[in-house]
This record gives sequence, C-alpha cells and structure tokens, in this order.
Amino acid sequence: DGGITQSPKYLFRKEGQNVTLSCEQNLNHDAMYWYRQDPGQGLRLIYYSQIVNDFQKGDIAEGYSVSREKKESFPLTVTSAQKNPTAFYLCASSQRGITGELFFGEGSRLTVL
Amino acid sequence: GIQVEQSPPDLILQEGANSTLRCNFSDSVNNLQWFHQNPWGQLINLFYIPSGTKQNGRLSATTVATERYSLLYISSSQTTDSGVYFCAVEKMNRDDKIIFGKGTRLHILP
Repeated sequence: DGGITQSPKYLFRKEGQNVTLSCEQNLNHDAMYWYRQDPGQGLRLIYYSQIVNDFQKGDIAEGYSVSREKKESFPLTVTSAQKNPTAFYLCASSQRGITGELFFGEGSRLTVL
Repeated sequence: GIQVEQSPPDLILQEGANSTLRCNFSDSVNNLQWFHQNPWGQLINLFYIPSGTKQNGRLSATTVATERYSLLYISSSQTTDSGVYFCAVEKMNRDDKIIFGKGTRLHILP
C-alpha cells in the first residue's frame, strides 16, 4: 500500500536527550514536510524539503534538524536545544508540479519528562 | 507571510444539522485543501480545491480565489463528523510552503 509511515507512534524521553523521528514515504513524492501540533492548536511548519539534499526552515525550526539523503526519507531530530519539545509531530508529502495535494502520516507523539 | 483564518473556532451541533465552515486567506494562493483530523490525530484529505466547487457525498467545498475565501459545507451531520477541520494553502509563488489555519473544532451531539 502506498503511504507515509512515521515511527515511533509514541516516544518518551528525558530532558536534554536528542530524539530522531522517522518518516518514510513510498508515494514517489518530491516534497516532504514536518509539522508540529500542540494540544488544541493548529499545525506549524518546522522544516520542508522540495528535493533530495535540499531543505528549508519553516516557521519554528529552532531546536530541530533534518536531513534528506533519499527521496523517500525525511527524518526529524528534536535536539536538546528545543525548549518545549513535548508535542504531536506530523510528517507529510506532496508531488510538486502536479496537484500539490498533501498527504499525512499518522503522527508521532513525543513526551519529554 | 500569508495569513489563514478559520471560523468559527468551535461549533457544537445536533446530529442531522447542516454547517458551514469558512477559511479566509490574505494573499493569492496556488492551491487550497481541506482536511479532517479525527480523534486519533490522523489528518484526512477532504478536498483539493484551488477554485470552484466540489462535492463528495454530504460534504462540499467552494473556493472563491478572487475574494480569498473558501467554504466547507457539511450536510446532515453525523457524530463521526466530529473532529477538527483544517484549511491549508500554498502561496501563489509556489515555494511549496503549505500553511495551515488554526482549525474549526466541530462536535456533533447524538
């Protein structure tokens, strides 16, 4: 089945630890995105990538890092510099130049203790 | 950057009622999408609608790009329609930066 897979679904970490969230897509999409959602809030863009080996900061990139070494993979690292990392993280992808329709994974819920 | 405003922020309706959700955006857009977020957090595409009108069962959407707004209509609401509805836009310069509104939280009472 084509889609976007995020892992892990739930993650608990101690303060000060870096955490990497995985996002893999088999839709052959060029563009991939990471969003953060806080309880009762909308989605805020962390990073996005339009093509392999290239990515841009979104609106709340501080304390996060990404890589895009393969078309199908866009991992997000939540570093210890992120002041309030507990949140729901959503990965998405879209095909540039066609419809731009956005598809989401099921999300990863990170809790920092 | 582009502003996306959704209204109302919250809506409580009885099962069977109809509703209209609105999305206003501050700049010309290349595309606009509506999503439903279910209670488990999954975001489901409802419509990809940069302009015009589309219908899918009890749901329909209209985007008037020249006036910078889109409407989502839900008819004969069911409890499974509950959740948060988001509007998302990509600005006209096609920088692939897709921006979301804060959503409308819909609660359908049985």
